[in-house]
Amino acid sequence: GESVGLHLPTLSVQEGDNSIINCAYSNSASDYFIWYKQESGKGPQFIIDIRSNMDKRQGQRVTVLLNKTVKHLSLQIAATQPGDSAVYFCAENWDNYQLIWGAGTKLIIKP
Amino acid sequence: DGGITQSPKYLFRKEGQNVTLSCEQNLNHDAMYWYRQDPGQGLRLIYYSQIVNDFQKGDIAEGYSVSREKKESFPLTVTSAQKNPTAFYLCASSEGQGAYEQYFGPGTRLTVT
Repeated sequence: GESVGLHLPTLSVQEGDNSIINCAYSNSASDYFIWYKQESGKGPQFIIDIRSNMDKRQGQRVTVLLNKTVKHLSLQIAATQPGDSAVYFCAENWDNYQLIWGAGTKLIIKP
Repeated sequence: DGGITQSPKYLFRKEGQNVTLSCEQNLNHDAMYWYRQDPGQGLRLIYYSQIVNDFQKGDIAEGYSVSREKKESFPLTVTSAQKNPTAFYLCASSEGQGAYEQYFGPGTRLTVT
């Protein structure tokens, strides 16, 4: 079946550097993508979303890039801070069905 | 403040007992969802509801039941038929189904011994 996958389960980044979290999706019909941040023991928090008619969208310190040719989604976090330590999930949607969630990437910030 | 509340935060039960997890939202959202999360894993959909008095099974509905008698409330019952109920349970809501941001509650950690 269709699924959303992540390339790396854990990513370690030096504080102050930029972080890039990747996500692969397999359904070319997906038209909505969303990133969430989940801190330990808490519910996921919305970060940013993007629709398939866009290639890039920017928020505060975050950028999401969508490459439909290779079915790839990435989340870039600028100037990573200790508070960015969390698990990051991507999710996709097509045909207004449910969000399909990836397994998550744990981001570790090194001091 | 608008948001989703789940109670309690921690819940302990003996094996064989049914337990009901509460989820309330004051965002006036039509759609509500229940997810299960196991340690180090992603989210798996248990049940969802697009509108009052209607709900649909998700990917792992066996051993669970829900009701949606009010727009604001979507309680989840973990029955004794659920073989491995210990998990972190998350409730969410959204304006509509599908391509909408889902707002999550703080979660309930259920431990069954």
